[in-house]
Amino acid sequence: DQQVKQNSPSLSVQEGRISILNCDYTNSMFDYFLWYKKYPAEGPTFLISISSIKDKNEDGRFTVFLNKSAKHLSLHIVPSQPGDSAVYFCAASTLGGAQKLVFGQGTRLTINP
Amino acid sequence: DTAVSQTPKYLVTQMGNDKSIKCEQNLGHDTMYWYKQDSKKFLKIMFSYNNKELIINETVPNRFSPKSPDKAHLNLHINSLELGDSAVYFCASSPRLETDTQYFGPGTRLTVL
Repeated sequence: DQQVKQNSPSLSVQEGRISILNCDYTNSMFDYFLWYKKYPAEGPTFLISISSIKDKNEDGRFTVFLNKSAKHLSLHIVPSQPGDSAVYFCAASTLGGAQKLVFGQGTRLTINP
Repeated sequence: DTAVSQTPKYLVTQMGNDKSIKCEQNLGHDTMYWYKQDSKKFLKIMFSYNNKELIINETVPNRFSPKSPDKAHLNLHINSLELGDSAVYFCASSPRLETDTQYFGPGTRLTVL
């Protein structure tokens, strides 16, 4: 039973436009959410996070939105750049105690010049 | 400087063999993890250690035995390898047990023939 789902396996966006990656979760106990970016043959690298007390967190070109009632979060990248081409993983956890990140299956983002 | 390193990067072996994957972090973190990325690309936690103490063991077969000789190292030993063990294994670390941001190594691709 997959508690974190990324229903789009791939996304193609033109350079300069906005990229929107989506993630849904089922476990209402999750209260912390993260996005990781992964290039081929490398490990995931932390991108941005948000706690459940917020509905938006922004860091430069990256913004994460959280809709708790819909159990949905999204990552917006604007403007998209060729270097953003990677696989993006959404992850969720419960704050405090032993940390266990639950990951979605990833969305491959391709930025076209 | 590599923050979280794993060796080897690739491992090809026969069924029934025993193999180890090593992980080292030079970030001074207290907590380390092993994740498995299966053929469907899901990243799933296997173990976490905090200050050399086992915290999480996610119903992993007994053939998998993590060993943490010190805070900076978490090695994974696998006995009697099976075809289904073929996957990419990622090591990660975080500053403290309660910290959600985890830093990942580059991964070890294990292929069991």
